[in-house]
Amino acid sequence: GQNIDQPTEMTATEGAIVQINCTYQTSGFNGLFWYQQHAGEAPTFLSYNVLDGLEEKGRFSSFLSRSKGYSYLLLKELQMKDSASYLCAGLAYAGNNRKLIWGLGTSLAVNP
Amino acid sequence: GAVVSQHPSWVICKSGTSVKIECRSLDFQATTMFWYRQFPKQSLMLMATSNEGSKATYEQGVEKDKFLINHASLTLSTLTVTSAHPEDSSFYICSARTGLAGGHEQYFGPGTRLTVT
Repeated sequence: GQNIDQPTEMTATEGAIVQINCTYQTSGFNGLFWYQQHAGEAPTFLSYNVLDGLEEKGRFSSFLSRSKGYSYLLLKELQMKDSASYLCAGLAYAGNNRKLIWGLGTSLAVNP
Repeated sequence: GAVVSQHPSWVICKSGTSVKIECRSLDFQATTMFWYRQFPKQSLMLMATSNEGSKATYEQGVEKDKFLINHASLTLSTLTVTSAHPEDSSFYICSARTGLAGGHEQYFGPGTRLTVT
């Protein structure tokens, strides 16, 4: 089956570091995406990992372990504007079709 | 680059009427477009996948006769909600993917908020 799990809610303090975990079970797996979505807006792309390891992009980093079916998004030097929902999505192939399998999202609240 | 637009950004319609939502890729050719629906505080729900020039592939539980999808060109896809009912009120988001080799990323439009009264 296809399944993406991530925590529902997290809270952190401005300036701190937070790690959002995601575990997945997807057949035909070909990579994992992280998107950020502010309330009432469409998702925006943050990262795509297809190989094991850590990808760093400014304050945001994403990690993937294919053997463990595990990924995390690391946010450093948190700012108030980082309060949003963070969506984990696995890219799955089924024949010639490929589509994203979405998690339910982690709602992050950054407090002053 | 990779900008996707949607029109309208919000719409209010009466129950029983039809509403058409447009999704355009502005600076790239999108061989595949996706239509999602999102209810408040819930994740994205894929409704259908459309490839240019062919019929859309609908996800299980999505009525193809109610949600008509047309992808007539490489830059435009439309979703028509026919005979809309209040339960169809939702945030509809399209995304587009290029046909480039290895191009997995989906670029999202800003969404259309539909309210059916």
